[in-house]
Amino acid sequence: EVQLLESGGGLVQPGGSLRLSCAASGFTFSSCAMSWVRQAPGKGLEWVSGVSATGRSTYYADSVKGRFTISRDNSKNTLFLQMNSLGAEDTAIYYCAKQIAGAATDFWGQGTLVTVSS
Amino acid sequence: QPVLTQSSSASASLGSSVKLTCTLSSGHSTYIIAWHQQQPGKAPRYLMQVEGSGSYNKGSGVPGRFSGSRSGADRYLTISNLQSEDEADYYCETWDSNTRVFGGGTKLTVL
Repeated sequence: EVQLLESGGGLVQPGGSLRLSCAASGFTFSSCAMSWVRQAPGKGLEWVSGVSATGRSTYYADSVKGRFTISRDNSKNTLFLQMNSLGAEDTAIYYCAKQIAGAATDFWGQGTLVTVSS
Repeated sequence: QPVLTQSSSASASLGSSVKLTCTLSSGHSTYIIAWHQQQPGKAPRYLMQVEGSGSYNKGSGVPGRFSGSRSGADRYLTISNLQSEDEADYYCETWDSNTRVFGGGTKLTVL
């Protein structure tokens, strides 16, 4: 059974940092591209960042470029998102998502809530 | 990069059928898209991928009541024999070499 379990969310002050993790199981993690997708309260889905199966290629939405860093540890089946210089606009549920061979997202984690507030 | 356009809301009666639309922007009409369902308070769930040919591939456990199709730049999700649990937000997704895009979502109300 595929499982994606996010952790690391919480309350952080504006300008602060947070590191999200996503523990994957039930599939060959090292063969799958992965992404982070967020959802602000009452809003739609917004793709944040993606990483290739090997980790060599990374991609970012303009809204987070230069502030967020995606990475993965294929030896530990874990995806990460380092978030710096956080602002109120980054408040959202952050979902870890698995891609089908560089195509559609075919599985979602349960999400972790990030709240940026003083 | 592609842009996906969805109607903000739709409604249909219990037991009837509804067809949701996702429209690809100009120059991207052949793109593959995916449909996702998000029930209230839950994470999104993958439903299917709709190819440029109109063929579709459903995710594991997705009921037979759900189907996909296309016409030009439009991609459709049809839900037959609507059930109360189908009341949810529905998002389409597409991608290219270095980005992913989601439509704004359609809120489906089952009357």
